[in-house]
Amino acid sequence: QSVLTQPPSVSGAPGQRVTISCTGSSSNIGAGYDVHWYQQLPGTAPKLVIYVNSNRPSGVPDRFSGSKSGTSASLAITGLQADDEADYYCQSYDSSLRHVFGTGTKVTVL
Amino acid sequence: QVQLVESGGGVVQPGRSLRLSCAASGFSFSTYAMHWVRQAPGKGLEWVAVIWYDERNKYYGDSVKGRFTISRDKSKNTLYLQMDSLRVEDTAAYYCARDRDSSGHLFLDHWGQGTLVTVSS
Repeated sequence: QSVLTQPPSVSGAPGQRVTISCTGSSSNIGAGYDVHWYQQLPGTAPKLVIYVNSNRPSGVPDRFSGSKSGTSASLAITGLQADDEADYYCQSYDSSLRHVFGTGTKVTVL
Repeated sequence: QVQLVESGGGVVQPGRSLRLSCAASGFSFSTYAMHWVRQAPGKGLEWVAVIWYDERNKYYGDSVKGRFTISRDKSKNTLYLQMDSLRVEDTAAYYCARDRDSSGHLFLDHWGQGTLVTVSS
């Protein structure tokens, strides 16, 4: 039962910019909890691509960026490449002492 | 380097039990909180449970509370998930993951490759 809502899919041509939204509520993102983003390539485990709203782990290209405002957050991918095609999930913490994931977004490179 | 290796998955009948293990290496296991996250076939990620570095606190998702138990053995650098009263809807790949924080409030910076649990009669 995801409490963070994401669009099911987004798409873009190579080189374009796509954004993925993550909408929460006053008990999670709106309560000030940080948002993190994961990339899941087909058949593999999730991989952290953005932590604490806008930080990139070592090795993640600067084409990936994140932001947070109010009860929402977003992930942007610029200069879209074929190997960016994957599922992306946002994650935050909830005042009910649970971690929550977004519903997931499939990014398709046209 | 950080490694997390899950094991223990398989096919089990509804109502039965199963215990998953996650062997950790490459970091100081006893200083990090650890999570279980699952993913049903073709579905999204679902957070299952977290255990603090010192085992003082454990928290569960609503769908598994009262049926699953998370634990850890620092002498063996191993995380466990005891799953009782299994249901068909528990069928999923189960991932263990490390929290960047000792109290499990942050992000999951390393994940295992997952182990598949199938609940079917």
